[in-house]
Amino acid sequence: GQNIDQPTEMTATEGAIVQINCTYQTSGFNGLFWYQQHAGEAPTFLSYNVLDGLEEKGRFSSFLSRSKGYSYLLLKELQMKDSASYLCAVRDIGPGKLIFGQGTTLQVKP
Amino acid sequence: DTEVTQTPKHLVMGMTNKKSLKCEQHMGHRAMYWYKQKAKKPPELMFVYSYEKLSINESVPSRFSPECPNSSLLNLHLHALQPEDSALYLCASSQTVNEQYFGPGTRLTVT
Repeated sequence: GQNIDQPTEMTATEGAIVQINCTYQTSGFNGLFWYQQHAGEAPTFLSYNVLDGLEEKGRFSSFLSRSKGYSYLLLKELQMKDSASYLCAVRDIGPGKLIFGQGTTLQVKP
Repeated sequence: DTEVTQTPKHLVMGMTNKKSLKCEQHMGHRAMYWYKQKAKKPPELMFVYSYEKLSINESVPSRFSPECPNSSLLNLHLHALQPEDSALYLCASSQTVNEQYFGPGTRLTVT
């Protein structure tokens, strides 16, 4: 079966660092995506990992361990505008099917 | 430019109406997707088109009918929908495995 787990909600303070974890068990694996989605808007692409290790992009970093079926998204220097839902998605083998986790709602407080 | 456009932005339709959602991208992407997203839930894949051919249909009811007239356009024809079909309908496109870009979505309300 396909299973992707993320925490439902997280709260963090402006200026701090937060790590959002994602574990997955899927029948196929062709990479892992992180998206940010503000309420009522479309998901915005943040990162893609297919090899083990850390990918850094400005204030956002994403890590992947394929052997552990584990990824995390690290957000540094949190800003109020980072309050959003963060979606972990695994790309299945074949024509691009993405399997999404339930999303983590992050609230950044002053 | 990583833009996927969708029209209309909002749509209200009755259960006997026929309407269409449109999606367009000019990035030369060869794969296009329709997703459905209910409130506080993740997107759920409906259809995948690869090189203008339907490659995945996730057992979507026939009242939803996709069409890919050319490599830049993707339509979703709607007929005899139910109130529970009210949702945000997202289009996405990709060229390589390490990307998938979403459009802004059409918020559909079925009355």
